[in-house]
Amino acid sequence: DAGVTQSPTHLIKTRGQQVTLRCSPKSGHDTVSWYQQALGQGPQFIFQYYEEEERQRGNFPDRFSGHQFPNYSSELNVNALLLGDSALYLCASSLAGTGVLNTEAFFGQGTRLTVV
Amino acid sequence: GEDVEQSLFLSVREGDSSVINCTYTDSSSTYLYWYKQEPGAGLQLLTYIFSNMDMKQDQRLTVLLNKKDKHLSLRIADTQTGDSAIYFCAASQGGSEKLVFGKGTKLTVNP
Repeated sequence: DAGVTQSPTHLIKTRGQQVTLRCSPKSGHDTVSWYQQALGQGPQFIFQYYEEEERQRGNFPDRFSGHQFPNYSSELNVNALLLGDSALYLCASSLAGTGVLNTEAFFGQGTRLTVV
Repeated sequence: GEDVEQSLFLSVREGDSSVINCTYTDSSSTYLYWYKQEPGAGLQLLTYIFSNMDMKQDQRLTVLLNKKDKHLSLRIADTQTGDSAIYFCAASQGGSEKLVFGKGTKLTVNP
């Protein structure tokens, strides 16, 4: 089991550009959540996808959008990049529903985005 | 909304026990987690506890929950240099619900 995989691992973009980050969830998981972790901070929830729909959203502007594919993989898109978008972007996968099996969220290694 | 607070730094000697503390504000948080992050890496789930439990032990890790005070702690027994990392406390209202993280406690283990 490869666990949660994210690509790319590092990325440098220019202010105003657009970026797409990708995530493949752990085998058997159907829910993908995205988090932004600024330097020295804890991760902040961006949004969550389940059944190809955005299920929950944190306090992030519309420049942040996402998608989930039928195979449960997901993309995070950020438009009109700002310097403040520089951060580690983490993807977490989990299994929807209730019960012991649904309590754990597993994180990928993250994508380090630098906006210059 | 939920707010999770942690002390930022903890330094211990190798072999000692480490205790990392966390407080949360939302009493409806039903799942409480501890994650570990090593430099340049993602988050590794260490353990979690349900809000109807007081304590959970998993090898060198002991989690204590005081639901009345909304206080959570993680004790690491026989701390090793490999335990040096940032430890995050996180709260959730459901197993697949969003996680609200603290800012993390940087644990330094001195030989």
